[in-house]
Amino acid sequence: KAGVTQTPRYLIKTRGQQVTLSCSPISGHRSVSWYQQTPGQGLQFLFEYFSETQRNKGNFPGRFSGRQFSNSRSEMNVSTLELGDSALYLCASSFLGETQYFGPGTRLLVL
Amino acid sequence: GQQLNQSPQSMFIQEGEDVSMNCTSSSIFNTWLWYKQDPGEGPVLLIALYKAGELTSNGRLTAQFGITRKDSFLNISASIPSDVGIYFCAGLQGGSEKLVFGKGTKLTVNP
Repeated sequence: KAGVTQTPRYLIKTRGQQVTLSCSPISGHRSVSWYQQTPGQGLQFLFEYFSETQRNKGNFPGRFSGRQFSNSRSEMNVSTLELGDSALYLCASSFLGETQYFGPGTRLLVL
Repeated sequence: GQQLNQSPQSMFIQEGEDVSMNCTSSSIFNTWLWYKQDPGEGPVLLIALYKAGELTSNGRLTAQFGITRKDSFLNISASIPSDVGIYFCAGLQGGSEKLVFGKGTKLTVNP
């Protein structure tokens, strides 16, 4: 089975811009979660989608949003980028309530 | 956000030595997971634990789910250079796909 894929792998943006990241889960997995990883805060949960519905949300501002499509693929969007949004954004998929498998991440640099 | 207490933060060992790291929490978790992350990549699942008291092995790795459900440990026996990386513990609480992570243990193995 192919693993979780994320695109793009690297991204450079400037403050004020917006960005969209994409995640394709493992075939058959219906739950997709997003995490932000920074040296200071570690791995922090952003949100989780199941069957196109957001089921859980972390403590991030409304600039961070996401969605899930009928094929379980997911996107997350960050609007009005700030310098502090520079991070590795990780997507993880699971069947349901089972172990989460991570993709390689998208490294975002905001200048 | 919520985080697990993971220790030690870093370890420097000689090839062939055994390694032990652990995670504790003030909250109960229903699932404990251990991941390894290499630079620039996403976390890779090493071991998943689903029952209190469970002891599970994966090659040279052994992990246990504490009976209080508030802690877990990971042991690596006979370390080799490719064990180098950052090890994360993560916990899942009931009814949630939100993984809570420790801050990681950075392992360096000297050949």
